[in-house]
Amino acid sequence: EPEVTQTPSHQVTQMGQEVILRCVPISNHLYFYWYRQILGQKVEFLVSFYNNEISEKSEIFDDQFSVERPDGSNFTLKIRSTKLEDSAMYFCASSHQRQGRGANVLTFGAGSRLTVL
Amino acid sequence: GNSVTQMEGPVTLSEEAFLTINCTYTATGYPSLFWYVQYPGEGLQLLLKATKADDKGSNKGFEATYRKETTSFHLEKGSVQVSDSAVYFCALSDPPNNNDMRFGAGTRLTVKP
Repeated sequence: EPEVTQTPSHQVTQMGQEVILRCVPISNHLYFYWYRQILGQKVEFLVSFYNNEISEKSEIFDDQFSVERPDGSNFTLKIRSTKLEDSAMYFCASSHQRQGRGANVLTFGAGSRLTVL
Repeated sequence: GNSVTQMEGPVTLSEEAFLTINCTYTATGYPSLFWYVQYPGEGLQLLLKATKADDKGSNKGFEATYRKETTSFHLEKGSVQVSDSAVYFCALSDPPNNNDMRFGAGTRLTVKP
């Protein structure tokens, strides 16, 4: 069964450092997403991406965050200067359709755990 | 705004016990409702869904009924197995009022033999 793969599974970084989290969505999917889950809290929407541009983003997704699809397969989330509160599990997801349309189903990756010291 | 409230965990049950994980929602419109499951070391997987009131989603022995009158979508299973140990997330999507999927906090279930 096709799956979304994420790397690294766990990254530890110092505050202020740049981090890039990588995702390989399902090959025939058109919409890509990043979510995060701070330990013990809700899974929160960060950003959606379609046709090589951001289609929607939440208030969490500030100027420190950026996303890119540098080639035909990877979808990356970059945090320019990490803060302690960026420590979380980051989930990538992809779908055929735009999120929320009818019963559109998102396929999620296993997540990348980011620890900022 | 839209939100999902889930029963807090963790939940520990013996094998073959009955499971209920409560989920209630607040939504502006007519949301679709989902249960996702995360097994250890894996991603979020869709378990079941329901798109309108009174729909029942079911999969792998799990069931949830979309109850508009009580704004609930409780997850149930009649007889849990050790392999059901995972974290369960209730979620909703409510286009066009909100274009992002809203998740509950997740409930960790541990089933002991």
